[in-house]
Amino acid sequence: GAGVSQSPSNKVTEKGKDVELRCDPISGHTALYWYRQSLGQGLEFLIYFQGNSAPDKSGLPSDRFSAERTGGSVSTLTIQRTQQEDSAVYLCASSLVGGGTSGNTIYFGEGSWLTVV
Amino acid sequence: AQKVTQAQTEISVVEKEDVTLDCVYETRDTTYYLFWYKQPPSGELVFLIRRNSFDEQNEISGRYSWNFQKSTSSFNFTITASQVVDSAVYFCALSEAREYGNKLVFGAGTILRVKS
Repeated sequence: GAGVSQSPSNKVTEKGKDVELRCDPISGHTALYWYRQSLGQGLEFLIYFQGNSAPDKSGLPSDRFSAERTGGSVSTLTIQRTQQEDSAVYLCASSLVGGGTSGNTIYFGEGSWLTVV
Repeated sequence: AQKVTQAQTEISVVEKEDVTLDCVYETRDTTYYLFWYKQPPSGELVFLIRRNSFDEQNEISGRYSWNFQKSTSSFNFTITASQVVDSAVYFCALSEAREYGNKLVFGAGTILRVKS
């Protein structure tokens, strides 16, 4: 696609339920990132994919959070047993390649707004 | 450790005024990248510029200009003749050159309000 596409745009879920957020990166981009934006914490890195592998998961806040990427394209971020503190905007981003000294430009999607009630 | 500081939480200007958004960064690496992103009310982070640490040349793009000074670890962003459409949150970010991904560290953002 022309840009990074995320779904759903908005999700309201009950505490304790599982949610899945989807990201479709820019076609041809091998690197994919998930970030979280919340009022208290600002923009935080969650996880980075190069192809289908995730060499950097250092930002995932707990074991309730997981992510996968298939076919070197679409990625799903799963939050299990959601808590109210999980309420945030989850932003997906992609770049042509990742790592090294290339300093690739990272393009962001519009985000998935998650509200846990 | 990397850190980006945007000291200005919110700035309000009247249309046609010039406005400068400050960004100060910290890093131990000699190779790094600096970015500015714009976040309009729609929520998407819109890429504005990427600057390599070895390139201190200032850049101008239309009404936007950027002043990169390694001596003061600053990467400031100026909008000339601001317009209402410039109203948004602006984020400065830093990425170090790493083998695994160019992870961005963001500043807290500056809310810019341009009034007509």
